Amino acid sequence: QVQLQESGPGLVKPSQTLSLTCTVSGGSISSGSYYWSWIRQPAGKGLEWIGRIYTSGSTNYNPSLKSRVTISVDTSKNQFSLKLSSVTAADTAVYYCARENYGSGSYGVDYWGQGTLVTVSS
Amino acid sequence: SYELTQPPSVSVSPGQTARITCSADALPKHYTYWYQQKPGQAPMLVIYKDSERPSGIPERFSGSSSGTTVTLTISGVQAEDEADYYCQSADSSNTYYVFGTGTKVTVL
Repeated sequence: QVQLQESGPGLVKPSQTLSLTCTVSGGSISSGSYYWSWIRQPAGKGLEWIGRIYTSGSTNYNPSLKSRVTISVDTSKNQFSLKLSSVTAADTAVYYCARENYGSGSYGVDYWGQGTLVTVSS
Repeated sequence: SYELTQPPSVSVSPGQTARITCSADALPKHYTYWYQQKPGQAPMLVIYKDSERPSGIPERFSGSSSGTTVTLTISGVQAEDEADYYCQSADSSNTYYVFGTGTKVTVL
């Protein structure tokens, strides 16, 4: 059973860089046809797709965040990471890491982390 | 930017049918995925590729597509189906995903 766990600071100062890591257990991050994704949700609001990285290392980002986002993968640690620069209070949200099953096209996001709250405040 | 519009809320009595629509603002429309989210929990996939049901999802959940609108139908709604539901699809160039605005399903 695949499990994903987010980790990182729960509080980030405005203008700084938000950094989160997702540790994958129960399977190798480099095997299979999967995209490893980040999705966020401000309190009381809807889901926002941030971006994803394929096992090959190719990435896709939300155009509204693209200039500030970097997603990377560390296969040796079975982890992938999110960096979001120049954060403001609008970036305060629960951040989810997730796995998208992608064989012959997408089969949807089938595994999610529990989510981690990141607050941007001085 | 690409947008997916859902009704903010749907109310339904137990045993009745709930229908949640998701309208795209442009063609071509790519496959749509549906997620259920209960308070304090991560979302859970209930429909993929417009109408396919993942293993373990009850048969009362079904999906359909027509033009730029897709619909999630919950037949014989149960109290446990009360949750927020989000559709998800790719933009017209299939380079990034967008979530719908979300629909709160209330079981009366």
